[in-house]
Amino acid sequence: EVQLEESGGGLVEPGGSLRLSCVASGMIFKKAWLNWVRQGPGKGLEWIGRLKSNLDGGAADYAPVVKGRFSMSRDDSTNTLYLDMNSLRVEDTAVYYCGSGYPDRWGHGTRVTVS
Amino acid sequence: DVVMTQTPVSLSATPGQAASISCRSSRSILATDGRTYLYWFLQRPGQSPQLLIYEVSNRFSGVPDRFSGRGSETDFTLEISRVEAEDVGVYYCMQGLFLPRTFGQGTKVEI
Repeated sequence: EVQLEESGGGLVEPGGSLRLSCVASGMIFKKAWLNWVRQGPGKGLEWIGRLKSNLDGGAADYAPVVKGRFSMSRDDSTNTLYLDMNSLRVEDTAVYYCGSGYPDRWGHGTRVTVS
Repeated sequence: DVVMTQTPVSLSATPGQAASISCRSSRSILATDGRTYLYWFLQRPGQSPQLLIYEVSNRFSGVPDRFSGRGSETDFTLEISRVEAEDVGVYYCMQGLFLPRTFGQGTKVEI
């Protein structure tokens, strides 16, 4: 069974930084294209980025609202996806989900509060 | 960015009856490979989203056959043939052709 588990969320002041992690199991991680999607309080889903597999070039694409501030990376040896978030803003407050594929598999999310 | 517009915003469904949700994209999401990259997700209360339908009409693994999707290019529909209590939640469409990926604003389904 594919499982994704995010961690690293918390409370951070505006302008601060945070690193989120997503550990995967039950899948061939090195082949997976991975996404980060967030959901602000009482809001809908917002795609923020995708990281291709290293087998497919490893390129990252970002939503304009986070480009230049957020950075995705992966460690295929530990089945871990990362999201480094810098220059955080109040409006980045959200639950952050990692997802694999379409995404067809999602984690349970980790909450980030910028205040 | 491609704008995805869902209607209605909310829906009161009757158990055992049919329900449908529409999704319109601001540009065609039919790719040159002939595939149409339109997805449907359900987010039940307090849960993370789950994939229901991929590429317009393909049910994901484990999704009941009362869910079906149809449409082409810019207009898409998710249909639930016989609504059940467990179908309550917010439904989202998403286009997977253009970057950034974009979701509809969601349709809240209540019983």
